[in-house]
Amino acid sequence: EPEVTQTPSHQVTQMGQEVILRCVPISNHLYFYWYRQILGQKVEFLVSFYNNEISEKSEIFDDQFSVERPDGSNFTLKIRSTKLEDSAMYFCATRGQGRETQYFGPGTRLLVL
Amino acid sequence: GESVGLHLPTLSVQEGDNSIINCAYSNSASDYFIWYKQESGKGPQFIIDIRSNMDKRQGQRVTVLLNKTVKHLSLQIAATQPGDSAVYFCAENIGTGGSYIPTFGRGTSLIVHP
Repeated sequence: EPEVTQTPSHQVTQMGQEVILRCVPISNHLYFYWYRQILGQKVEFLVSFYNNEISEKSEIFDDQFSVERPDGSNFTLKIRSTKLEDSAMYFCATRGQGRETQYFGPGTRLLVL
Repeated sequence: GESVGLHLPTLSVQEGDNSIINCAYSNSASDYFIWYKQESGKGPQFIIDIRSNMDKRQGQRVTVLLNKTVKHLSLQIAATQPGDSAVYFCAENIGTGGSYIPTFGRGTSLIVHP
C-alpha cells in the first residue's frame, strides 16, 4: 500500500539553526500539507501546497517557515531560525485529486535546544 | 471561535467490548468529518469519514454517527481489540477552495485491556 514517508525521523538542533524536513508524497497525489503537534496537544495545520504554490497557511506559518517541492518528488518544510517552541512532531500529509482524505506520514520529531 | 473538542480524554475498555468515542463540533458550516487513529510515535491514520448529508456510516468494525442537530459526532468500535489502543481524533473539514484542511480535536486515548 502506498504511503507517505518522512525524513529524518528525529532531528535535534540548536536554537537559531535552520532545519529542513523532508516528505515523499504518495506518487499520484497533488495536494500536500504540513502539520505540527506539540507534545500532548492537538495536531495543528501549518500550510497546504498545490501546483507549486502555497494554497493556505495558518498563523503559525510565519516568515521563518517555507515550503517547496524542489525536484518534483520531495516536499520540504524549512524552518530558517528555529526557536525552542518549534519543538514538536511535524507531519506531512498528501491528498489525491478530487479526494478528501489526507494520508499522513510517520512524522519528524524536532527538538530545539 | 469555532472549535472541535472531545468529551472524554481517556476511555478504558475490556477486550471484546464495544467502544464509543464522542466528539462535539461547533462550526455549523463544516460538511465533512473524519476520524483518525494515532498510535504512539506515528502519524494520524484515517479510519472513517462522513459527510454532513449522512447520519451514519459503517466501516469494518467501526461506525460513525453524526447528529447535526446537537453538533455531535461519535465513533463506535465493535469488539475492541488491544490493537485498537491509540489516541482517536475527530476532525472537521473547514477547507476553502478545495483545500480540505481538517481542524483536529484534542483526542481521546483508548486503552484496551486484554
